[in-house]
Amino acid sequence: EAGVAQSPRYKIIEKRQSVAFWCNPISGHATLYWYQQILGQGPKLLIQFQNNGVVDDSQLPKDRFSAERLKGVDSTLKIQPAKLEDSAVYLCASSLSTGTGGGEQFFGPGTRLTVL
Amino acid sequence: AQSVSQHNHHVILSEAASLELGCNYSYGGTVNLFWYVQYPGQHLQLLLKYFSGDPLVKGIKGFEAEFIKSKFSFNLRKPSVQWSDTAEYFCAVNAGSNYQLIWGAGTKLIIKP
Repeated sequence: EAGVAQSPRYKIIEKRQSVAFWCNPISGHATLYWYQQILGQGPKLLIQFQNNGVVDDSQLPKDRFSAERLKGVDSTLKIQPAKLEDSAVYLCASSLSTGTGGGEQFFGPGTRLTVL
Repeated sequence: AQSVSQHNHHVILSEAASLELGCNYSYGGTVNLFWYVQYPGQHLQLLLKYFSGDPLVKGIKGFEAEFIKSKFSFNLRKPSVQWSDTAEYFCAVNAGSNYQLIWGAGTKLIIKP
């Protein structure tokens, strides 16, 4: 079974530039999550999708971050414009439908973003 | 608000030592509990999980964890660690209708050969 795919793996940009990350979840997983992981901290949920609908985006800084999941499969996360404090690893995870299997999540390798 | 607390941010042990990493959560209802591990350069992967039943759960690579409901704890243990256990370990809890994971800050474990 293929895992969660993410690209790019690394990205370096200057502040005020824009950047986009892509995620392809495990086939059949209806729920998709984007997390931000700052060095030394646990992952922080940015947004949760169930199919192509948003379940929770309460911690997404909507003035600069946006995410979409067209057709309920792949997802993109965008930052525009980036700030220095956005430097982090952005993780994508997927799970079977919310509540199924206790919510076990499967993670991709992450995208390490450095904002200069 | 729900939270997860991991007691130690850094742990250094010698090979063959016994390991116990603490995890406490704050939530009064039904929870599902997880330990994830992140080896250097690799992505987060599930070590073990507790949904219901026997509160002592066994995971991969000889790890186990015990759910003690009265103490709101889910401590991770391994009787004899190996150099290859060097990694960062995260405790996570999900609760509530959205089954979102609430994460601890992680514990970096270094095993000296």
